[in-house]
Amino acid sequence: AQKITQTQPGMFVQEKEAVTLDCTYDTSDPSYGLFWYKQPSSGEMIFLIYQGSYDQQNATEGRYSLNFQKARKSANLVISASQLGDSAMYFCAMRPRGGYQKVTFGIGTKLQVIP
Amino acid sequence: NAGVMQNPRHLVRRRGQEARLRCSPMKGHSHVYWYRQLPEEGLKFMVYLQKENIIDESGMPKERFSAEFPKEGPSILRIQQVVRGDSAAYFCASSRRTTTNEKLFFGSGTQLSVL
Repeated sequence: AQKITQTQPGMFVQEKEAVTLDCTYDTSDPSYGLFWYKQPSSGEMIFLIYQGSYDQQNATEGRYSLNFQKARKSANLVISASQLGDSAMYFCAMRPRGGYQKVTFGIGTKLQVIP
Repeated sequence: NAGVMQNPRHLVRRRGQEARLRCSPMKGHSHVYWYRQLPEEGLKFMVYLQKENIIDESGMPKERFSAEFPKEGPSILRIQQVVRGDSAAYFCASSRRTTTNEKLFFGSGTQLSVL
């Protein structure tokens, strides 16, 4: 079974600063994928970034990067140059390799960007 | 391209009534996932379906809940004899494949309120 742990219920960051959202995971699968999603107050789920467990480099997508430390089983999301529109819930998720696998989500971190 | 369509957006039911939630996946997607989100909680997996088949229903309560994804038409999540504890946001997601890096595309959710 897979488990995702997000230990920060809420985070504050000053506009234009960088922020790191923590995610640790537990799995016995040797191969898996890690995802981050954003959920603004409007409710929709927006895909941000993906990291494969065997990817050689940490994933980056614009202002989003993933600090992937496989030995520690952590996949922290780094948002650089925070903007007011980044205020939202952020969810870490994992899918093990192999067909017909579900995606397991953490409980999320609420990020608030302060002007 | 239309995204994942869920309806209704809001559904109000009295205790004991039935709730039917609909989800039309993105065009070309044959994999559908249902998640439930309670306030201040993450997304809890309920069921994973492929056309006409239930792949994984490990997160769905055995009583009162059922799901289907027929050959033609939307996926339906059905809750019989609703209770107040069923009040939550129900999200549907779809994907084209089930490879490890295949991200989920989410609908806007159905907010179920049980009076």
